[in-house]
Amino acid sequence: QVQLVESGGDLVKPGGSLRLSCAASGFSFRDYYMSWIRQAPGKGPEYISYISPSAHSIYYAASVRGRFTISRDNANNSLYLQMNSLRAEDTALYYCVRQDGGYAYWGQGTLVTVSS
Amino acid sequence: DVVMTQSPLSLPATLGQPASISCRSSQSLVHSDGNTYLHWFQQGPGQSPRRLIYRVSNRDSGVPDRFSGSGSGTDFTLEISRVEAEDVGVYYCMQGTQWPPAFGPGTKLDIK
Repeated sequence: QVQLVESGGDLVKPGGSLRLSCAASGFSFRDYYMSWIRQAPGKGPEYISYISPSAHSIYYAASVRGRFTISRDNANNSLYLQMNSLRAEDTALYYCVRQDGGYAYWGQGTLVTVSS
Repeated sequence: DVVMTQSPLSLPATLGQPASISCRSSQSLVHSDGNTYLHWFQQGPGQSPRRLIYRVSNRDSGVPDRFSGSGSGTDFTLEISRVEAEDVGVYYCMQGTQWPPAFGPGTKLDIK
């Protein structure tokens, strides 16, 4: 079955950096668009980035553009999110989501806390 | 960007009774391909969002048939025919028709 397992979340100071990973299994990873969606405490989910199967098409929400970089390694079935210049408002649970027209598959999330 | 709104934001429900959540979008969600990419998610306490309904009215595998979705254009509804205790959580509508995809603010359902 489809499994998405995020890792890399941590407590980091404002201005710091973090790299999130998502290990995918149970489907042909190289054939799917993949997304990162985050959810701040007590808030609804926020779509922040996607990457096409070949990585030729990438999108970022305005809130993270210029600071976050999405990438993927199809040989190792992995998705990444490099997060730089982190701000307090980036504090959230970050989910890896398979983008198949309906966002049916989500990981369990990894928690990023930005605080001094 | 498309803005999604939901009502009510809080829904005290009675076991065995019906419940309904409304979702509205600031723009039509009919895609140029003819589909309407409006989905409903349920998020239980401490859990990841779980998709219940895709493209307005299609129930996901394993979702009880007491859940149903309807609507068109900019107005959509999630209905629960008979609320059960396991239905407690937050319900989100989400549009995937226009970029960027956007979620509603959520409706918190609890049992009276």
